[in-house]
Amino acid sequence: KAGVTQTPRYLIKTRGQQVTLSCSPISGHRSVSWYQQTPGQGLQFLFEYFSETQRNKGNFPGRFSGRQFSNSRSEMNVSTLELGDSALYLCASSPGVGQGLQPQHFGDGTRLSIL
Amino acid sequence: AQTVTQSQPEMSVQEAETVTLSCTYDTSESNYYLFWYKQPPSRQMILVIRQEAYKQQNATENRFSVNFQKAAKSFSLKISDSQLGDTAMYFCAFMLAGSEKLVFGKGTKLTVNP
Repeated sequence: KAGVTQTPRYLIKTRGQQVTLSCSPISGHRSVSWYQQTPGQGLQFLFEYFSETQRNKGNFPGRFSGRQFSNSRSEMNVSTLELGDSALYLCASSPGVGQGLQPQHFGDGTRLSIL
Repeated sequence: AQTVTQSQPEMSVQEAETVTLSCTYDTSESNYYLFWYKQPPSRQMILVIRQEAYKQQNATENRFSVNFQKAAKSFSLKISDSQLGDTAMYFCAFMLAGSEKLVFGKGTKLTVNP
């Protein structure tokens, strides 16, 4: 069974640009969550999508958005990039029933660098 | 809001020895799950062990075991017979039942020395 796939692995952008990151979950998983990892703030929850609906949202500005498609693949978009958006963005998938017995599986992440 | 605290930013251990990583959390809820994830330099987060709050018995996975003290809101990870491949960042995480949102601690960087 293929794992969680995130593309691209690395991305370099400049301030003010926008970026779209992609996540393909494990087959059969309907929940996709996104996390931002930085040295200063650690791992922070961005949002979670389940069956194409945003089910939970973290404390991030509106520049951060996402969506989920009918095949459960998800994208997150960051507009008007700022230097502070430089981070590792991790995607995780799970069946989505909210039970820790079926925990989340993570992708390798997308390393976003803002110049 | 739930919080997770890992008080040891860095730890080191000799190969074959035992090490314990600490984690405390804060919640007013009674039904939740706790996890330890490992993140090696390759950066993929790997689930090490999980614990259901309603279970009193401590979880064990091969060389990894936890000491879950619900009243004290403590969830420590013990690694026995440490191996070089255990070198990684270790994150303690909390999840409310019915949610998919993980709340992570800041992590403990573990180095296993030969």
